[in-house]
Amino acid sequence: GNSVTQMEGPVTLSEEAFLTINCTYTATGYPSLFWYVQYPGEGLQLLLKATKADDKGSNKGFEATYRKETTSFHLEKGSVQVSDSAVYFCALTTSGRDDKIIFGKGTRLHILP
Amino acid sequence: DVKVTQSSRYLVKRTGEKVFLECVQDMDHENMFWYRQDPGLGLRLIYFSYDVKMKEKGDIPEGYSVSREKKERFSLILESASTNQTSMYLCASSLPSLAGGLTYNEQFFGPGTRLTVL
Repeated sequence: GNSVTQMEGPVTLSEEAFLTINCTYTATGYPSLFWYVQYPGEGLQLLLKATKADDKGSNKGFEATYRKETTSFHLEKGSVQVSDSAVYFCALTTSGRDDKIIFGKGTRLHILP
Repeated sequence: DVKVTQSSRYLVKRTGEKVFLECVQDMDHENMFWYRQDPGLGLRLIYFSYDVKMKEKGDIPEGYSVSREKKERFSLILESASTNQTSMYLCASSLPSLAGGLTYNEQFFGPGTRLTVL
């Protein structure tokens, strides 16, 4: 079946450090891939997405590239800020009538000033 | 601004009580979802609905039921609350995946209800 595996947290970095959160997936067909972010006390919100191989999603300085050959969608940011502290979820969905999204377990990120 | 709202941010109930969690969306979305979020387990799908009066079981439906009488409202019901249902409950909505030629279906989430069952 479809699944998402992402690195366990928490991840603690200093402000302005480089961030990578690894995500790999298993899916039949051609999934769309997402990163969602959950700030403290809030629900999830979409951070970025990619719908086909080699697509790069980007938003708020974050980037992730859909790599079909390695079944990966790693999240990166060149210089993190304290305000990036949150929980990040990698997710996938396959097109068609089944509209469910499969989420990874989430990675908590702490950024120290 | 699009919105998914949940009736309570925090709720405390006693074991055996019947609990209703309400979710309302203003985006005219066909799909609505209920998840629970627990540390180390991520999000797990409880129930979802493709349309009014339609419902489908997710991965962990035991102990829960749902109601969707109107398109904008999706209710989660705990028939007899138990302590192992203490959790954060998140509601979400989305368009169907084939709407407008979209090949993906972004879900929009509410702020969550933190339920404690004593």
